[in-house]
Amino acid sequence: DTGVSQNPRHKITKRGQNVTFRCDPISEHNRLYWYRQTLGQGPEFLTYFQNEAQLEKSRLLSDRFSAERPKGSFSTLEIQRTEQGDSAMYLCASSFRSGAETQYFGPGTRLLVL
Amino acid sequence: DQQVKQNSPSLSVQEGRISILNCDYTNSMFDYFLWYKKYPAEGPTFLISISSIKDKNEDGRFTVFLNKSAKHLSLHIVPSQPGDSAVYFCAAIDSGNTPLVFGKGTRLSVIA
Repeated sequence: DTGVSQNPRHKITKRGQNVTFRCDPISEHNRLYWYRQTLGQGPEFLTYFQNEAQLEKSRLLSDRFSAERPKGSFSTLEIQRTEQGDSAMYLCASSFRSGAETQYFGPGTRLLVL
Repeated sequence: DQQVKQNSPSLSVQEGRISILNCDYTNSMFDYFLWYKKYPAEGPTFLISISSIKDKNEDGRFTVFLNKSAKHLSLHIVPSQPGDSAVYFCAAIDSGNTPLVFGKGTRLSVIA
């Protein structure tokens, strides 16, 4: 399977714990995006990378959220000191920068904070 | 302020008939539009897209129409099949500003 993969698919954690999610993009794609989706809403953009450079991070929801893509391949999204309001589906997408670019999504990681 | 609006939360269509899903946008800088389909507990799957220089794009049973003057696009599915039952998201992008902007989605139910 050469699509976008995300791990874990599900995560249950207690409030105050830190969580980290991983995304592996389509191999030839140089852009990687993180989105969050809550019930009844469309995906909401969080941050994106071109290769290893994080080009936009102002939309990260708070300073508890951070993302990395150290070698320009996989990426991690970390949430520190989780809160119940962080419960959502976290989606990763990738694209190859070529003007009009289609973003392809992974299956998502569903986070439940108790 | 929602820049991409899907005003119908749900739509029911009989199998074999046409499904028409609508989307309106407010940002005139958007120049590329996409439709995604989403099943529960899965990520969005890309369906079809259209550039702002076109007014129609067709791919099999799926056709997207763009009316730039009205800032409106629609997705037509003909004929509709039960497997098409899912939530459909309209998304738009200003290619000078990378993130996709999504609508809230329309849940399509195709009844056999």
